[in-house]
Amino acid sequence: AQSVSQHNHHVILSEAASLELGCNYSYGGTVNLFWYVQYPGQHLQLLLKYFSGDPLVKGIKGFEAEFIKSKFSFNLRKPSVQWSDTAEYFCAVNTGSARQLTFGSGTQLTVLP
Amino acid sequence: ETGVTQSPTHLIKTRGQQVTLRCSSQSGHNTVSWYQQALGQGPQFIFQYYREEENGRGNFPPRFSGLQFPNYSSELNVNALELDDSALYLCASSLAGGRYEQYFGPGTRLTVT
Repeated sequence: AQSVSQHNHHVILSEAASLELGCNYSYGGTVNLFWYVQYPGQHLQLLLKYFSGDPLVKGIKGFEAEFIKSKFSFNLRKPSVQWSDTAEYFCAVNTGSARQLTFGSGTQLTVLP
Repeated sequence: ETGVTQSPTHLIKTRGQQVTLRCSSQSGHNTVSWYQQALGQGPQFIFQYYREEENGRGNFPPRFSGLQFPNYSSELNVNALELDDSALYLCASSLAGGRYEQYFGPGTRLTVT
């Protein structure tokens, strides 16, 4: 069964700092990769997704992620964070044969104004 | 276009009781997935329904059961509630297949005392 690890549980940054959140998964086959965000008091919503092709994917609100197959990683990046990026971020994976998403434990990002 | 809705928002039950949670999927979506999110954890997959049939199940005991109706809405039933069942229960709707985004509802917060 696949699993997802997010090693940063809580990240605190100042506005304009650069962000990188780590995500590693364990599965040897083809995977679909996702980053979801949960803003305070709101639903989980999709930031970006990777299925195939260019390993650098761009999502909403200036976020991007890079799939590195050899490292089983799908790290989330943003060059310059804003206070409004304060939220919890979840990495998730599903495989070609499994339809359910397997989530990491999440990273709480706090951006200080 | 109406998003995913869930009811009730909050629920308090006593250990040993039974509970039913409800989910209305987004218009056009034929697949509903249920997740349990314990405090400080990522969502964990309970099961998925497609065309009124269970289409995959996570590591949850049989006292967690579900239904999907012809209009694609869904119910999650939990019998013999335990204290550890206290969590946020999330419903997500999508089209069938792992490459389709799952759209999440706001969740039902269940507290078992």
